Amino acid sequence: EDQVTQSPEALRLQEGESSSLNCSYTVSGLRGLFWYRQDPGKGPEFLFTLYSAGEEKEKERLKATLTKKESFLHITAPKPEDSATYLCAVQAYTGANSKLTFGKGITLSVRP
Amino acid sequence: NAGVMQNPRHLVRRRGQEARLRCSPVKGHSHVYWYRQLPEEGLKFMVYLQKENIIDESGMPKERFSAEFPKEGPSILRIQQVVRGDSAAYFCASLGKGSTDTQYFGPGTRLTVL
Repeated sequence: EDQVTQSPEALRLQEGESSSLNCSYTVSGLRGLFWYRQDPGKGPEFLFTLYSAGEEKEKERLKATLTKKESFLHITAPKPEDSATYLCAVQAYTGANSKLTFGKGITLSVRP
Repeated sequence: NAGVMQNPRHLVRRRGQEARLRCSPVKGHSHVYWYRQLPEEGLKFMVYLQKENIIDESGMPKERFSAEFPKEGPSILRIQQVVRGDSAAYFCASLGKGSTDTQYFGPGTRLTVL
């Protein structure tokens, strides 16, 4: 069974204090690893997809990286508006367009 | 959220009633997924549908839950005889034919069972 574990569960940062969020996974064959952002009362908002170990993607203050066992979401000089829950999900090679398996998420709070 | 629409946004039902949740995917998208998010839990897959077909229902409870995606109109997630444990946020995601694997999510329906 595919599993995703995210750590820490919650993270409080000072504005400008860079950090990383961890996503560890086990999957029968990785088709893709996805990062989403979710604000309270809203649906997940797509951030990145990573397909192979060594791949990196960046968007503004966020950079996602992937190894064979885990992914990191690095946040550089965060701002209060980066406060949200960050979700990691994996998709296995069980068929085209197969389901996503999510972790429980990491709640990030950035203090001004 | 790339245009996925869900309604109602909030739904209150008493135990034993039926709940119907609707999802209109991004225009032109033919794949729909339903996920459930319980308090303090991650999103859990329920069902994957294409127009008029159920592709994967491995996450659907065996009883009381059903889903459809007709040729015309929105996808419907139906919960019969709701119980308090059904209280959760239900999210729909859509994917376009021939597109990449990215699923785009709607805003969700928050179901409260009294």
